[in-house]
Amino acid sequence: GEQVEQLPSILRVQEGSSASINCSYEDSASNYFPWYKQEPGENPKLIIDIRSNMERKQIQELIVLLDKKAKRFSLHITDTQPGDSAMYFCAASKHYGNEKITFGAGTKLTIKP
Amino acid sequence: DPKIIQKPKYLVAVTGSEKILICEQYLGHNAMYWYRQSAKKPLEFMFSYSYQKLMDNQTASSRFQPQSSKKNHLDLQITALKPDDSATYFCASSQYRGSNERLFFGHGTKLSVL
Repeated sequence: GEQVEQLPSILRVQEGSSASINCSYEDSASNYFPWYKQEPGENPKLIIDIRSNMERKQIQELIVLLDKKAKRFSLHITDTQPGDSAMYFCAASKHYGNEKITFGAGTKLTIKP
Repeated sequence: DPKIIQKPKYLVAVTGSEKILICEQYLGHNAMYWYRQSAKKPLEFMFSYSYQKLMDNQTASSRFQPQSSKKNHLDLQITALKPDDSATYFCASSQYRGSNERLFFGHGTKLSVL
């Protein structure tokens, strides 16, 4: 099955600066890459996703980049705020055969005031 | 107003006992899932159901048995509980089973096995 590697596992950035999380996947047939945010004691919530027909997607301060050749995708949070502190999970799945979504191990992001 | 209801929120069990985790979704989705989250393996896929039929099973142990009495229900029965089963169990749903479908998670049941 698909394997997703996520780095770093822990990330601390100054408020107002940018934060970047990187993921890589193994199966070149994967074509859907969602990102989930999980606050302490809460459930994971979808924040942004990108499909393989795109290279870049932005929703407000969230930017996702996809490099299909390198099998890498990344999340960039610009102008970070304290409310961005949370666990972030990347994931990958492929269309054919209705494969399950495979998650990365997660990144604990802390925004320093 | 949660659209995916999991009960109970917290559960303490004795080793060797049996428990049932309840999940109901009111999003009108046709696919439901169970995920497990622990310090060792964050967001580990367990089962997927589509139209009340088991589609994927990534759980090696038969001690974990999903049960679907209605399209919007997917309970998880765990027998012969072990301390290693301690984790937060998340129920999730999507419109249809398959990739490119956005998952919605419940708030989880935190299980502690003593």
